[in-house]
Amino acid sequence: AQSVTQLDSHVSVSEGTPVLLRCNYSSSYSPSLFWYVQHPNKGLQLLLKYTSAATLVKGINGFEAEFKKSETSFHLTKPSAHMSDAAEYFCVVSDLAGTYKYIFGTGTRLKVLA
Amino acid sequence: GAVVSQHPSWVICKSGTSVKIECRSLDFQATTMFWYRQFPKQSLMLMATSNEGSKATYEQGVEKDKFLINHASLTLSTLTVTSAHPEDSSFYICSARVVGDNSPLHFGNGTRLTVT
Repeated sequence: AQSVTQLDSHVSVSEGTPVLLRCNYSSSYSPSLFWYVQHPNKGLQLLLKYTSAATLVKGINGFEAEFKKSETSFHLTKPSAHMSDAAEYFCVVSDLAGTYKYIFGTGTRLKVLA
Repeated sequence: GAVVSQHPSWVICKSGTSVKIECRSLDFQATTMFWYRQFPKQSLMLMATSNEGSKATYEQGVEKDKFLINHASLTLSTLTVTSAHPEDSSFYICSARVVGDNSPLHFGNGTRLTVT
């Protein structure tokens, strides 16, 4: 069975400081992992994806994530937070070769302080 | 590319009425569509998987007679909330994919349903 755990429900950072959103996964086979961002009352936008290629994945808006199999982690980072980054972030695990179901983490709400 | 359009973006209805939500893939043919429900400040929960031309597969605990899903064409899936009650108020989001295409799912912008 697959599952994903987002370790922080809320993260607050000051504008211009680094962002770290943590995600751990559990999968009985090679997973595909994604980070999505959701702004209030909006759908989801894909930030980046890992599908067994390079372990360091670069996404949009300066975000990146590193797949660490030994730690079963896929943490999302950004060197410098911007006010527009304030949103809800979801870590997702999926079996792209099978059912294609997405299992969502519980989400992390990022707050950026001026 | 890969745009998923969801309509309406918000709807208010009276208790006991039915509401239909449409999910369209605008520039690709979606052989599979997924319907999610999101309660305020919570994560997305998969309700059902909809394959074109066949019956939807519902997740455990989701009432198939309550949430009717139709995927009659490769570009359109609909979710009908029948005899809606206030507890059905939620944010409903659809997503779509093409069989054989391992690219990530693309999501609609969601529908905010409020049942009064």
